[in-house]
Amino acid sequence: NAGVMQNPRHLVRRRGQEARLRCSPMKGHSHVYWYRQLPEEGLKFMVYLQKENIIDESGMPKERFSAEFPKEGPSILRIQQVVRGDSAAYFCASSPMDRENIQYFGAGTRLSVL
Amino acid sequence: AQTVTQSQPEMSVQEAETVTLSCTYDTSESDYYLFWYKQPPSRQMILVIRQEAYKQQNATENRFSVNFQKAAKSFSLKISDSQLGDAAMYFCAYSTSQGGSEKLVFGKGTKLTVNP
Repeated sequence: NAGVMQNPRHLVRRRGQEARLRCSPMKGHSHVYWYRQLPEEGLKFMVYLQKENIIDESGMPKERFSAEFPKEGPSILRIQQVVRGDSAAYFCASSPMDRENIQYFGAGTRLSVL
Repeated sequence: AQTVTQSQPEMSVQEAETVTLSCTYDTSESDYYLFWYKQPPSRQMILVIRQEAYKQQNATENRFSVNFQKAAKSFSLKISDSQLGDAAMYFCAYSTSQGGSEKLVFGKGTKLTVNP
């Protein structure tokens, strides 16, 4: 059973470009969470999605950031018009539809904005 | 809002010795989950141990155990017989159990060094 797959591992963008980060949850998992980790910091929650639904986006910046988890395919975190402050590691986690509250993490995508 | 505090930015331990990492949290909920995650240099977040707040018994996973003090809102991690592979950042995390968004709230982490 493959783990949570994130790609790319590293992404370099220039200011003003778009960044698209992908996350394929573990097989059988229907809940996806995105977190952001700034240098020397813990992970900060961004958004929680189930298939075709955004359940909680309380941690998402109001502008330029969006997320989706379509019926088919991976979850996508999209950052438009990136700025240097968006440079961080972005982690995806998935969990099954039980009540165990265990989240399994991918290896993250490190975004560098030049 | 829930908060998680890890007061030790860095800790070190000799190989084969025991070390305890501290974590406190703040919540008004009575039922919730607490976790310790390990992040080695590879950056992969690895679940170390999980505690359900309604269970009084402290969780144990091999060399890892917790001291859960619900009234004091304290959740420390003890690593026994430390190994070089235990060197990593350790993050304490909180999650509600009341349905809706079970997002994790993380502390800032403790960097653990294991000396040979």
